[in-house]
Amino acid sequence: QVQLVQSGAEVKKPGASVKVSCKSSGYSLSSYYVHWVRQAPGHGLEWMGIINPSGDSTTYAQKFQGRVTVTRDTSTGTVYMELSSLRSEDTAIYYCARERSVDILGAKWFDPWGPGTLVTVSS
Amino acid sequence: DIQLTQSPSFLSASVGDRVTITCRASQGIGSHLAWYQQKPGKAPKLLIYAASTLQSGVPSRFSGSGSGTEFTLTISSLQPEDFATYYCQQLKSYPLTFGQGTRLEIK
Repeated sequence: QVQLVQSGAEVKKPGASVKVSCKSSGYSLSSYYVHWVRQAPGHGLEWMGIINPSGDSTTYAQKFQGRVTVTRDTSTGTVYMELSSLRSEDTAIYYCARERSVDILGAKWFDPWGPGTLVTVSS
Repeated sequence: DIQLTQSPSFLSASVGDRVTITCRASQGIGSHLAWYQQKPGKAPKLLIYAASTLQSGVPSRFSGSGSGTEFTLTISSLQPEDFATYYCQQLKSYPLTFGQGTRLEIK
């Protein structure tokens, strides 16, 4: 069964950084684009960024530019999302998601999603 | 950025009802739209991609339609397990964006 596995919950102080990992179970994630999406408590979904399969190209939402870095270990296929200068508003569940696509349609979608990693920012 | 506006934000319905959720884009996105279902404490689950293509394994009571700026998700006969929050997502251009969500609750 295709699954994504994420690292465990984190508690950080304001100003610190957090690094969340995402790896696949049952297949290799190395051939896929991977996205990061976050969800603050009681709120909707917010796209953060994407990394390409080779790990040499990323695109980030402007809101997070300068604070977020998405990388991947091509030897293991694990993808990482690091968010720095944390503030209380960054308290959220952070999801990774695999991008799927159909070239003939130009269609893309996210499937599967990881289970999410809760990051709590509190002094 | 492309804004997605879902309506309604909240919907109360009964088992067996037919419900429709609308997603409007601030500019044309062709058919580059997906729908997800999210239950409390769980990650979103893909229902529909390319505006109208049903993901494998998703019950046929779910359907999607639309193109350009207006899209709909229809559930033909609500089942107890369908009470959840639904999100649309545009994948036309970066930054990718989501609608604000529609919470579907049991009447």
